[in-house]
Amino acid sequence: QKEVEQDPGPLSVPEGAIVSLNCTYSNSAFQYFMWYRQYSRKGPELLMYTYSSGNKEDGRFTAQVDKSSKYISLFIRDSQPSDSATYLCAMSGSARQLTFGSGTQLTVLP
Amino acid sequence: KAGVTQTPRYLIKTRGQQVTLSCSPISGHRSVSWYQQTPGQGLQFLFEYFSETQRNKGNFPGRFSGRQFSNSRSEMNVSTLELGDSALYLCASSDPGGADGEQFFGPGTRLTVL
Repeated sequence: QKEVEQDPGPLSVPEGAIVSLNCTYSNSAFQYFMWYRQYSRKGPELLMYTYSSGNKEDGRFTAQVDKSSKYISLFIRDSQPSDSATYLCAMSGSARQLTFGSGTQLTVLP
Repeated sequence: KAGVTQTPRYLIKTRGQQVTLSCSPISGHRSVSWYQQTPGQGLQFLFEYFSETQRNKGNFPGRFSGRQFSNSRSEMNVSTLELGDSALYLCASSDPGGADGEQFFGPGTRLTVL
C-alpha cells in the first residue's frame, strides 16, 4: 500500500463548478501538506501549503487538513478552464523529502 | 526573482550511456532536491543536497548520484542508463529559512533512453 493515496480521476466538471480533490495518507509523521498543480510538460507549481491540521484559503482555493483522519482536501471555487491540469498532493515530515500522491487529472469544460 | 532552471530540457541517450543533468536553484535557496517522474510510479524523491552535502536519499540504485557546488547549483548523474530510466527529472529548491515542505520546482529535463 502506498503512503499517499490519491484518486487519479480523470475528473471533468463544467466551468463555475466547485471542485473537490482529496488525498489520504498512512504516515503519522507527515506534518507539512502541499498541493501542486502541473500543466502538461511543465514542472509542478506550488498552490497551497499547510502545516499540521486546519484550513487555509487563497483566492478561489481552500486547503483542508484533518490529521486525525489522515485526510487532506483541496477545494476550487468558480472553476475556470485554465484550472485544467493535474493536481498533486504532497506531504513531508521533518526532512525536506516530499511524498507525492499519484495526481488527479482535472478538466474544466467551458 | 528568477525561478529554478534546469538544463538541458530534453535529452535522448542509448542504453549503457551516462548522463548529467544540471539545476540552478532560486537565488538564495541553498537546498536542492531531485525527483523522478514517470507515468507508472509518479513523482519519487531521489536525493536532497544542502550546503554541498547530501542530507537525504531516496530508494534508488547507486547508478543515480548527485552533487552540489558552492554556489548551490546542483548536478545529478545517471550511469549505465536503462530503458526504465526514461522519465522527467525535476529539481526543486527551497529557502533554508522557509518551511520544510515548501519547495519550488523547475520545468524538468525529459530524458529518453533508447
